[in-house]
Amino acid sequence: DSGVTQTPKHLITATGQRVTLRCSPRSGDLSVYWYQQSLDQGLQFLIQYYNGEERAKGNILERFSAQQFPDLHSELNLSSLELGDSALYFCASSVLGTPFSHPNTEAFFGQGTRLTVV
Amino acid sequence: KNEVEQSPQNLTAQEGEFITINCSYSVGISALHWLQQHPGGGIVSLFMLSSGKKKHGRLIATINIQEKHSSLHITASHPRDSAVYICAARPYGNKLVFGAGTILRVKS
Repeated sequence: DSGVTQTPKHLITATGQRVTLRCSPRSGDLSVYWYQQSLDQGLQFLIQYYNGEERAKGNILERFSAQQFPDLHSELNLSSLELGDSALYFCASSVLGTPFSHPNTEAFFGQGTRLTVV
Repeated sequence: KNEVEQSPQNLTAQEGEFITINCSYSVGISALHWLQQHPGGGIVSLFMLSSGKKKHGRLIATINIQEKHSSLHITASHPRDSAVYICAARPYGNKLVFGAGTILRVKS
């Protein structure tokens, strides 16, 4: 158990809909990262939050948004869903805002949310 | 060309064999991760390397910064090692760049 909790585990929704994925980081971790893993793209970095503020942005679509709340949990909002958005969405957390800069810093991954858009 | 290349893409081994998975990257990095993804999809971080070698149980990870190459070794492989192994490089910044993964199947 990595200590990172993602809900829901599975989600099936129709095209055009909006969904919210939730991530609770490990206790004490200030950074949350969101990743998308689709069959044809592999793992892609979407966005990072550190202590409530956006820290880095990757290949995140404009239809997607995220936020990190004062209690450090994070939500990834996906709207106007398309079939191609079907993927595994992972959340990871780490202590520092600049990951892996300290030799012992790791990122801990949640189990993922499997989103199926039909 | 992908910035992070893994080989092989697929690997089938007999229980007890020594396994090596390779990762080459073309970007400058400050660290490299090896991740394990189980059949159910969950990802576990195995190692984070910035130089040299790390060992955890039957797993060994090495990195050669000059050659931009890392290897993950599994000694005395076991069917429970069957998973996808993913190499992820961290360029100087906050993003991870992932390899496509190596699908390992260990047969008993």
